[in-house]
Amino acid sequence: ETGVTQSPTHLIKTRGQQVTLRCSSQSGHNTVSWYQQALGQGPQFIFQYYREEENGRGNFPPRFSGLQFPNYSSELNVNALELDDSALYLCASTLAPTGALRLAKNIQYFGAGTRLSVL
Amino acid sequence: KQEVTQIPAALSVPEGENLVLNCSFTDSAIYNLQWFRQDPGKGLTSLLLIQSSQREQTSGRLNASLDKSSGRSTLYIAASQPGDSATYLCAVTSGTYKYIFGTGTRLKVLA
Repeated sequence: ETGVTQSPTHLIKTRGQQVTLRCSSQSGHNTVSWYQQALGQGPQFIFQYYREEENGRGNFPPRFSGLQFPNYSSELNVNALELDDSALYLCASTLAPTGALRLAKNIQYFGAGTRLSVL
Repeated sequence: KQEVTQIPAALSVPEGENLVLNCSFTDSAIYNLQWFRQDPGKGLTSLLLIQSSQREQTSGRLNASLDKSSGRSTLYIAASQPGDSATYLCAVTSGTYKYIFGTGTRLKVLA
C-alpha cells in the first residue's frame, strides 16, 4: 500500500474525445509525476508538478496537460484522444526538499494506475 | 541520452532457484537506481532503492547491487517462490526530475 490512489481504474473512450485522470498523493507530498506505460513497455515520463507548477516534461505533445492542487491531488488531461494513447497511466508522488527540485534521493510512490482504452 | 536495458526479457524457473536479473544503463552519471515489481495490470511497487554512493541494498530475499562505472545493476532473488512471479523493472534518475525505465523482465516461478 503506497498511499497513492488513482481513479478511475479503467476507462474506455473513443478517438477525438477528452479524458481526465485523477491522482491523490500521499499527504504532504509536494511533487507528482505522471507516466504512460504502453503494453509490454516500461513507463515513459509525461511531466511532473512541484508545488502546483510544471517542473519538467517528457516527449509528449501539448494535448497532454496537468494540474496539481493544494490538497495533494492532481489531474492528467488528454485532449483529442488518439488510438496510441491507449495505455496504463501511472502517477507517482514524493516529497522534494523545500527550495530544491532534485528528487534524486527520494523514493517515488506509485499508484495502481488507470487503464485507458481508446477505440 | 540515458537508455536502460534489461536482460533477459523473460525468465521461467522452478521454485527454489536463486536467480539474477540484469539492468544496464548507458550514462553512468546517475543519482540513484530503483527496482520495482509490477503485477499484471497493476501499478509499481518499489523493492529497493540504491543511491549512487552505495554498492548494494538488501531486503529479505532480495539483494540489489550497483556498479556505476560499468553501468550495471543486478537484482538477486534467493529461493524463488511462485509469488515472486511478476515483471521486474529497473529505473534510473540522473539528477533530473524523471525516472528512465527499462522494459522489464517477466519472471515466472513454477511450483
